[in-house]
This record gives sequence, C-alpha cells and structure tokens, in this order.
Amino acid sequence: ETGVTQTPRHLVMGMTNKKSLKCEQHLGHNAMYWYKQSAKKPLELMFVYSLEERVENNSVPSRFSPECPNSSHLFLHLHTLQPEDSALYLCASSQGSNTGELFFGEGSRLTVL
Amino acid sequence: RKEVEQDPGPFNVPEGATVAFNCTYSNSASQSFFWYRQDCRKEPKLLMSVYSSGNEDGRFTAQLNRASQYISLLIRDSKLSDSATYLCVVNVGFGNEKLTFGTGTRLTIIP
Repeated sequence: ETGVTQTPRHLVMGMTNKKSLKCEQHLGHNAMYWYKQSAKKPLELMFVYSLEERVENNSVPSRFSPECPNSSHLFLHLHTLQPEDSALYLCASSQGSNTGELFFGEGSRLTVL
Repeated sequence: RKEVEQDPGPFNVPEGATVAFNCTYSNSASQSFFWYRQDCRKEPKLLMSVYSSGNEDGRFTAQLNRASQYISLLIRDSKLSDSATYLCVVNVGFGNEKLTFGTGTRLTIIP
C-alpha cells in the first residue's frame, strides 16, 4: 500500500465544472509535489511545496490552483479546464528537498469533456 | 534538443536475456541521476540512483558517463516481473524541483 494516497482515482468533468484533487501522505515528509503525466510526454512538474510554502510554480495556467493546508495534505483545485488538460495527475512527497527520491501516489486520471 | 532523451521502445526481450537502456541529457551541469520504474497503470517508483563510479543492485547495474552525458541501465537475467517503463531522471540543479524526467523506455519480457 502506497504511503501517498490520492482521491479520486478517476474524474470526468465538463469544462465549466469546478472540482478538486486530494493528496495525503502518511510518510512524515516535508515536501509535496503535483505532476502532470500525459501520453508520450515526460512528467511535468506543476507545483512544489516545501514546509507548506510554495517554492515552484512552473508557469501553470491559473485554472489549476494548489492548496497545501499542512505538510500531510495537498489539493489541486480545478476550474474551467480544457480538453487538453486531460491527463494523469500525480502527487508525490519527499523527505527533504534534494534527495532525488520522490514517493508518488497512484494518480488521479482526469478526463475533461 | 530534449533535456532528457530516451528511446521509447518498446523493447521485447525473452526471459533470461540481458537488456540495456541508454539515456542522454543535455545539461552538462546536471548534478544527480536516477532510474525510476513505472508499471502499467501504476505510479513511478525509484529503482536506483546512478553514481559516478557506477553501481549495482542485484541484477541491475547503472552507469554514468559525464563526458558523453549519458547514463545506462543494464538488467541481467531478466524476469517477467521486470516488464515496466523505465524512466531516466536527471537533476539539472539543486533541489527536487529540478528533477527532469525522460519519457521512459517500455520493456516487455517475453516468456
């Protein structure tokens, strides 16, 4: 069983909907990440939080809004998405910010109609 | 040129064979290197770090060639359970936010 859990595992939404993805890590880590994985493309880093402070925002469109209320929880709020945003969204955590070892959740498969 | 480049495969290899993947990176200032494994419909997991001197973990050997800017992964005596996508990951700076992933090489071990 993974130490990083994501819900929902699958989500279908229309372009006008508002939804949120949730991530929870049970590993006592102090950094959390959102990645986007699309077919035939490398993982794309979206957001990084270290000690609950955002440290990286890779020019992600504002229709994606992260929230990190504490070191164990991370959310990705979604609104007015586009069909090209359909992808697997992976949450990860790490102990420290330079270990190279990320622990991923199983991902949330998002389909935007 | 892509920051991290891998042959996407697929590699279809008979059980028991030896298989090798290469990965090239464009940033000569890259600091650290890793191989991750991603099973079908599952999350990526760290397989091993890659050290300058090369390192081995059981049937898996990773090597780094800084001069030519490539890393390799060798799998000996391949098992059916080795079937997965292998992701080359390079840290182009300091901090996990600088981790750059390749698109992955898909390996299928054939009985």
